[in-house]
Amino acid sequence: DAKTTQPNSMESNEEEPVHLPCNHSTISGTDYIHWYRQLPSQGPEYVIHGLTSNVNNRMASLAIAEDRKSSTLILHRATLRDAAVYYCILRDEGKGGADGLTFGKGTHLIIQP
Amino acid sequence: DTGVSQDPRHKITKRGQNVTFRCDPISEHNRLYWYRQTLGQGPEFLTYFQNEAQLEKSRLLSDRFSAERPKGSFSTLEIQRTEQGDSAMYLCASSFPKSSREETQYFGPGTRLLVL
Repeated sequence: DAKTTQPNSMESNEEEPVHLPCNHSTISGTDYIHWYRQLPSQGPEYVIHGLTSNVNNRMASLAIAEDRKSSTLILHRATLRDAAVYYCILRDEGKGGADGLTFGKGTHLIIQP
Repeated sequence: DTGVSQDPRHKITKRGQNVTFRCDPISEHNRLYWYRQTLGQGPEFLTYFQNEAQLEKSRLLSDRFSAERPKGSFSTLEIQRTEQGDSAMYLCASSFPKSSREETQYFGPGTRLLVL
């Protein structure tokens, strides 16, 4: 899987929007962009994914740059429960079908009350 | 709760002992993954099953590690002759994807191993 780059940490205030950036300049045309998050002492959980168009679901929005070399996860109104490590992951068909997700260090999101 | 479950949640063992962890995936999920996570790092892929077949192993999976998924349902991960460097969180995930590129993996809570 191609490499992603994320800030180590970000801080935001409760009830404000949060924009988490991810750079993936070596993305291939068939890579999907996935976001997972990991709350303290829990396993990772899926947040959202997309290919080219912006995507929305009940948890977040994903804005993908036109050249696909970067993307932004948007939490529209952060709560204290959104404090977690957020991982941006690229996913293709892998070696003949599937392999594991490649997590980086992610962005540690701190929410201030 | 119909999510991925793992047992035990915590394990403390002495160096040199063998340990076995169990993962019960979401029912009817045909893919099952094992990951390892050390403090301050993201999870690292260890191995993957499609039904009962083990299709991929990471270079991280030394010969002291073995994983099975005998009937394509639950899976076990065994570590023989544990070393202090094996101390980590061991995570299991399952999925039933239409394609790998759009696959959503569902993770369990993990088993935290401490080797003394």
